Parts: sequence; C-alpha cells; structure tokens
Amino acid sequence: EIVLTQSPATLSLSPGERATLSCRASQSVSSYLAWYQRRSGQAPRLLVYDAFNRATGIPARFSGSGSGTDFTLTISSLEPEDFAVYYCQQRSSWPWTFGQGTKVEIK
Amino acid sequence: EVQLVESGGGLVQPGGSLRLSCAASGFTFSNYWMSWVRQAPGKGLEWVANIKKDGSEKYYVDSMKGRFTISRDNAKNSLYLQMNSLRAEDTAVYYCARGDYYDSSGYYLGYWGQGTLVTVSS
Repeated sequence: EIVLTQSPATLSLSPGERATLSCRASQSVSSYLAWYQRRSGQAPRLLVYDAFNRATGIPARFSGSGSGTDFTLTISSLEPEDFAVYYCQQRSSWPWTFGQGTKVEIK
Repeated sequence: EVQLVESGGGLVQPGGSLRLSCAASGFTFSNYWMSWVRQAPGKGLEWVANIKKDGSEKYYVDSMKGRFTISRDNAKNSLYLQMNSLRAEDTAVYYCARGDYYDSSGYYLGYWGQGTLVTVSS
C-alpha cells in the first residue's frame, strides 16, 4: 500500500498569504495524485487531479505541481473560505489512499 | 445539479450488519464508476470500495474484503454498501462519491455526498 505523508500537519496563515502544502508518497505514483478540500461540516471537494489539473470550477489561486513522489498544492492568496483541511490522494495502485491531511487555519 | 444522498447509517452491535444506500440525481448514474469512502472519528479518509458503471467489476480494500459488498441498481439510480460482521473500528462516516476524470487506470472523486454515520458499539 502506498503511504502518503502530508506536511505540515497544521499551517497557520493570514488571509492574503500564500499557502504551500506538501504530499510525499512512499513510492512513485507518477502523476496520479489529487488534492481535496474539506471545509468544516461539508463533504470533500476535488481541487486538483493528475497532479496539476484544476477540477471544474476551481479558482486559479489553487495550483498543483510535482510528480513521482513529491507533490505540492499552492494557494496563491488565501481567501476566508480557504481555511479548511486539505487531503492528497493517489490512484496509482490499489488500494487508492489518502494522506492524513493538512489543516490550514487562521493565524 | 449533481446530488448524492446517503442513508442507512445508525447504531449497530459488533458482529451485526447494516446496509447503506446512496441516492443519485442530477446526472446519468449508469455512466459513472462509484465509490464508498469512510472517515473514522479523528482519523483521515479511507477508501472502502469501487464499482464499475455496470456493476461488473468491484474492488475492495483488504480490511473490508469478505465483509463488505458494494452494489448498484442503475434503474433506481442507487448505490449500496452491505456491511456484515461489523467491528468497532468500522465506526465512521461513510461517503458515496462519483468517479470523475476517468481514464483506463482509474478516476478521482468529483462529487461526494454528505455522509451517513455508522456507529458500531454494544
């Protein structure tokens, strides 16, 4: 099973700041990696798929990069609604797995 | 508007069974792979199972294989998860989700329901 390790566990930032979230895979997942956002009390929302493609309707301030084992989700300028938990997920090999999450909180 | 509404959760004793349902609307259900994902209290997201558009292929995470059965009824636009031999560690919110951005090697979860809580306790 591929283990995804996200860092940091918590990111404390202010609105308008840049957020950089990391996801590291225990073995290569090629580009088969997604990022999801989970706002409090809501279902997860797909942000980025195949490492760098934004899902339909996702604002341009969200961008993904990386391949192989190291991936990054960048939020260029945090909006109030961006404070949430973010998960990465791989579909390179079964079982598909999620990272443990990074919480982006208001500083 | 795409909607996925789970139901069937509740309190069940260890060793018991429960059947979850997911009612889909706003899209052609039979055109999509579907999945179940769960989240235990204080834990991260965990994949449970996938099912092909016509139900002919099913995939399970090892810890649930043999105990859980995913199925679908395309005529009723519904997805199901039959859970048997439930354990305390199966306590979680269970989400159904639609497979999007599909290619020959898989897909991602483009739409999720709000989830249904399953509590396994005596």
